[in-house]
Amino acid sequence: QKEVEQDPGPLSVPEGAIVSLNCTYSNSAFQYFMWYRQYSRKGPELLMYTYSSGNKEDGRFTAQVDKSSKYISLFIRDSQPSDSATYLCAMSGGSGGSNYKLTFGKGTLLTVNP
Amino acid sequence: KAGVTQTPRYLIKTRGQQVTLSCSPISGHRSVSWYQQTPGQGLQFLFEYFSETQRNKGNFPGRFSGRQFSNSRSEMNVSTLELGDSALYLCASSLAGTGLPGELFFGEGSRLTVL
Repeated sequence: QKEVEQDPGPLSVPEGAIVSLNCTYSNSAFQYFMWYRQYSRKGPELLMYTYSSGNKEDGRFTAQVDKSSKYISLFIRDSQPSDSATYLCAMSGGSGGSNYKLTFGKGTLLTVNP
Repeated sequence: KAGVTQTPRYLIKTRGQQVTLSCSPISGHRSVSWYQQTPGQGLQFLFEYFSETQRNKGNFPGRFSGRQFSNSRSEMNVSTLELGDSALYLCASSLAGTGLPGELFFGEGSRLTVL
């Protein structure tokens, strides 16, 4: 079993739809949970960041972390064609410098159709 | 503020050769990490350097090595290249210590093709 599991999709939705992306993980030491967005031929960029359990909202994006279930989610409201990208969940945690060693899901390719 | 710069962006090598990739982090960032991205395995952690010291290492063979210089610039080297080393190699920098753990700023990567 991989440490982080993410459905690779692809996921195709119409413009304006609500998108739900999810990851599960097995390492209970993870404390920091991130969502990165990667456009084609670009490096990933940080989209959302959450420490421990809870929800975080930023505009059209909401990140949720449920540490008891080892499950994290990203919701995109009113999706736009510009949201078309690969979404990667990432996690880190543990003692000392391992906070800076990220474990990524394989990514979900999202296409938002006009 | 300039982003993370990686060179070269594209390169083609043959099996058995070695390659050196370079990364210039964002000014003021002291931590540099390297990741390998392939369609099959996704993003995998190679190593992380902080103040010229390797602080974390992933599960890659010893053919993969790296270093960081006093100006925080970093290089990674892959020796005795294999076909399976074909990948996008991504460098990321972070503030480390004052920034958010896990808040990485990625470059656009160096795409290596091994023939």
